[in-house]
Amino acid sequence: GQSLEQPSEVTAVEGAIVQINCTYQTSGFYGLSWYQQHDGGAPTFLSYNALDGLEETGRFSSFLSRSDSYGYLLLQELQMKDSASYFCAVSSNDMRFGAGTRLTVKP
Amino acid sequence: DAMVIQNPRYQVTQFGKPVTLSCSQTLNHNVMYWYQQKSSQAPKLLFHYYDKDFNNEADTPDNFQSRRPNTSFCFLDIRSPGLGDAAMYLCATSRTGSPTDTQYFGPGTRLTVL
Repeated sequence: GQSLEQPSEVTAVEGAIVQINCTYQTSGFYGLSWYQQHDGGAPTFLSYNALDGLEETGRFSSFLSRSDSYGYLLLQELQMKDSASYFCAVSSNDMRFGAGTRLTVKP
Repeated sequence: DAMVIQNPRYQVTQFGKPVTLSCSQTLNHNVMYWYQQKSSQAPKLLFHYYDKDFNNEADTPDNFQSRRPNTSFCFLDIRSPGLGDAAMYLCATSRTGSPTDTQYFGPGTRLTVL
């Protein structure tokens, strides 16, 4: 079967760097995506990793190690508006979401 | 500018009273998805349409049905809502339906069952 593990909550201060980890078990793996969801809002796409390594998009980076079935989302120069839930999602036969990590950014 | 539109944003229904949620898209994407998301949980895929082909998830209750009359619109029908069906319902689209395709989500409809 499929499973995704990510921490339920993370807290950090403005300007800091935070890493949200995701480990997964699946068959037929194609890639790992990250979505951001603010309270009451829709998930929005952040990044996608199909190959091992780091993908950087502005303040956000995402990393994948296929051999370790592991990835992370790195958020730099945290801002208050980054407070949201972050979901990793595995693409295999379809797309499955993790339970989400709630990030709280404090002043 | 809105690409995936869901109406209404908030829906209240009574226990057992049928309710329909609607989704429309301006992206001309082939695939439309319906997800159920309960508080602090991951979105759970209920079913999706690839064009007119309906694909139901194995664990989606029979109480949930869907219709896609054309490319732009997709409906979620809950025939007899129970208290456990109170959730956020998210509609999403993707261009090809490939598992690697980005999914574009609507703002969701929050369903309350009284």
